[in-house]
Amino acid sequence: EIVMTQSPATLSVSPGERAALSCRASQTVYSNLAWYQQKPGQAPRLLIYGTSTRATGIPARFSGSGSGTEFTLTISNLQSEDFAVYYCQQYHNWPLLFGQGTKLEIK
Amino acid sequence: EVQLLESGGGLVQPGGSLRLSCAAAGFTFSSYAMCWVRQAPGRGLEWVSAISAGGVGTFYPDSVRGRFTISRDNSKQTLYLQMNSLRAEDTAIYYCAKVIFAPDSSGYHPWNFDYWGQGALVTVSS
Repeated sequence: EIVMTQSPATLSVSPGERAALSCRASQTVYSNLAWYQQKPGQAPRLLIYGTSTRATGIPARFSGSGSGTEFTLTISNLQSEDFAVYYCQQYHNWPLLFGQGTKLEIK
Repeated sequence: EVQLLESGGGLVQPGGSLRLSCAAAGFTFSSYAMCWVRQAPGRGLEWVSAISAGGVGTFYPDSVRGRFTISRDNSKQTLYLQMNSLRAEDTAIYYCAKVIFAPDSSGYHPWNFDYWGQGALVTVSS
């Protein structure tokens, strides 16, 4: 079973700056990697799929990169509404797995 | 507008059963695979079941296989999750979610999710 590891657990960044969130898979998932954003009391929201394709309506300041086992979600020019928890998800094989999440907080 | 509305959550004793429903609207339900994802209080996301568009293919992680059953009624545009032999560790918010794409000509679609319901709380406690 693939293990998904996100780092760091918590990231403190100032508004207007850039944040880089990491997701590592224990074996290759090729490009089958998605990112979700979740705010308190809300359902997750799809940001990125296929490693780097933004979902409908997602601002260009969100970008995804990587391949195989190492992936990064980069958020440029952080806005107040971007402070949330972010999860990666592999869908290369079963079981579908999410990382444990990275909490992006205001510095 | 795509809408997913879960119902059926509540308090149940350990060993008991519960059936969740997810009413879908705003898209051709029968064309899309669906899944259930749960989130224990203060914890991360855990996928718990998935079903193909036609309902023939079902998938489960080891943690719920044999206890949970996913099904769908495309005529009613409704997804279900039958949960039996419930344990305290099954306590969570349960979300239904829609896969982003319908299958292509080869039957393939990626298993990531573009729309989610608001969630149904299931509490397993005596």
